[in-house]
Amino acid sequence: AQSVAQPEDQVNVAEGNPLTVKCTYSVSGNPYLFWYVQYPNRGLQFLLKYITGDNLVKGSYGFEAEFNKSQTSFHLKKPSALVSDSALYFCAVRPTAGRRALTFGSGTRLQVQP
Amino acid sequence: KAGVTQTPRYLIKTRGQQVTLSCSPISGHRSVSWYQQTPGQGLQFLFEYFSETQRNKGNFPGRFSGRQFSNSRSEMNVSTLELGDSALYLCASSLESGGRNTEAFFGQGTRLTVV
Repeated sequence: AQSVAQPEDQVNVAEGNPLTVKCTYSVSGNPYLFWYVQYPNRGLQFLLKYITGDNLVKGSYGFEAEFNKSQTSFHLKKPSALVSDSALYFCAVRPTAGRRALTFGSGTRLQVQP
Repeated sequence: KAGVTQTPRYLIKTRGQQVTLSCSPISGHRSVSWYQQTPGQGLQFLFEYFSETQRNKGNFPGRFSGRQFSNSRSEMNVSTLELGDSALYLCASSLESGGRNTEAFFGQGTRLTVV
């Protein structure tokens, strides 16, 4: 069975500083990996995905994520945080073969202070 | 392109009643999935439909059911509602069921409250 761990319930960072939101996964075979963001009373908004190829994936709003196969990690990063980045972030995984459903992590609340 | 549309946005039902939620996917998307989001359990997969066929099903009781129509629109039904069914129900559509173009695009959700 696949699983995703987001070890931090909350990450606090000052505006302008770099941010990292951590994610590790477990899946049989090769993974498809995703990051989503959720603002209050809204659905999930797609940020980026890793399918194959370059380990550094660039996405929307200046976010990027680094795939590390040996550490089974897919951390979300941004060089300079904005107050408007404050939201709930979800990492998700699904295998490239077999069951198609996304398995989500528990979410990490990002708080960017002015 | 219009996004995923879910109706209604908010719903209050009484225990024992049934409810139907609706989802219109992005034009051209043939895969529709449903997820339940609660503070305690997080995001949990309910089921996926592709070309009117259920492709995958999560670990939910039979009270939860769904269907997809020929225009890819999908409905989700919950019968004999329980207090624990109170949640945000999210619908997501994607271009393909498998393959590389499988990022899911989510609607704003239907907030169901069971009293």
